[in-house]
Amino acid sequence: AQSVTQPDIHITVSEGASLELRCNYSYGATPYLFWYVQSPGQGLQLLLKYFSGDTLVQGIKGFEAEFKRSQSSFNLRKPSVHWSDAAEYFCAVGANQAGTALIFGKGTTLSVSS
Amino acid sequence: GAVVSQHPSWVICKSGTSVKIECRSLDFQATTMFWYRQFPKQSLMLMATSNEGSKATYEQGVEKDKFLINHASLTLSTLTVTSAHPEDSSFYICSARAPGTGVGDTQYFGPGTRLTVL
Repeated sequence: AQSVTQPDIHITVSEGASLELRCNYSYGATPYLFWYVQSPGQGLQLLLKYFSGDTLVQGIKGFEAEFKRSQSSFNLRKPSVHWSDAAEYFCAVGANQAGTALIFGKGTTLSVSS
Repeated sequence: GAVVSQHPSWVICKSGTSVKIECRSLDFQATTMFWYRQFPKQSLMLMATSNEGSKATYEQGVEKDKFLINHASLTLSTLTVTSAHPEDSSFYICSARAPGTGVGDTQYFGPGTRLTVL
């Protein structure tokens, strides 16, 4: 069955420190992978996505993610966290057919300390 | 970028009443819209897929007679929670997919609607 696991429910990082949010997926075919961020009162915003090609994907707001097929992982990273990055982060996997919905992980809450 | 709005952003209703939530794509036409439900500290769970002009496809375990979905135009989908009960209280989120953007294309999400049933 298709699934997405985000092992860390809550992470606290000091402002300026590096960040890595973990995501593991289970999918039978070639996955389409996404990272979304959800801030209070805001809709989910797409940070980045991976379909094929270069396994290191650059996104908005200085985020990047690396697809590792051998580990079934798609971890999100940022070299220096800002206080405004505090939010809920969701990893999602999509099927390769157009128009299908996404399967989301349970999310990781990021807190940023000063 | 593409914008999806939802109305209302929050609603409180009495048990037994029906509530309608609107999802609009503001600057693009969406042939497909999705409705998700999110419980506190939980993931988004897909409820149904809505294609313009046809009946919605519901996920297993979602009562189609309770959660009525109408996708009457390329910019509007509505979710009506009929005879709402306290257990229906949740955060409902819609997303829209623009046509012609290819396989695995981006879904644009609305800000969500908080429903509280007393």
